[in-house]
Amino acid sequence: KAGVTQTPRYLIKTRGQQVTLSCSPISGHRSVSWYQQTPGQGLQFLFEYFSETQRNKGNFPGRFSGRQFSNSRSEMNVSTLELGDSALYLCASTYRGLNEQFFGPGTRLTVL
Amino acid sequence: AQRVTQPEKLLSVFKGAPVELKCNYSYSGSPELFWYVQYSRQRLQLLLRHISRESIKGFTADLNKGETSFHLKKPFAQEEDSAMYYCALSGQMNRDDKIIFGKGTRLHILP
Repeated sequence: KAGVTQTPRYLIKTRGQQVTLSCSPISGHRSVSWYQQTPGQGLQFLFEYFSETQRNKGNFPGRFSGRQFSNSRSEMNVSTLELGDSALYLCASTYRGLNEQFFGPGTRLTVL
Repeated sequence: AQRVTQPEKLLSVFKGAPVELKCNYSYSGSPELFWYVQYSRQRLQLLLRHISRESIKGFTADLNKGETSFHLKKPFAQEEDSAMYYCALSGQMNRDDKIIFGKGTRLHILP
């Protein structure tokens, strides 16, 4: 089975811009979760989508949003970028739930 | 508050020596606990989960509810065990299912 893929792998944006990241889960997996990883805060849960609905949410501001399509692919959007949004954004997929998660390689976002 | 604590940022162990990576958690309920590992230039991947009660690559972890700990152990370290290890907890928090990761411990196996 092909693994979780994320595009783009690297992104450079400036403050105030918005960005959209994409994640394609493992075939057959219906749950996609997103995480932000930074040296200071570690790995933090953003949200989980299942069957095109946001099912669970972490403690991030509303600038962070996402969606999931009927083929289970997911996108994450960050609006009005801040310097502190610079991070590695990981997505992970499972058949359902937050149990064994299969992670993608991540998208490294740099905000200047 | 729900929390996962990995007290050691870096742990250096000689090859052949026992390894113990510590993980303590705070959660009011019945959590599900995991250990994830990230080898150099590879993706984060699940190592083991407490409900499986199995040994993976020689590693085991026992959930101790009294001490709220889920320490990862291996009797004899191997050089290929060098990696970043994350302890994680999933459960219901504020009516949402969430997962919390510890900040990770870098395990360095010395030859």
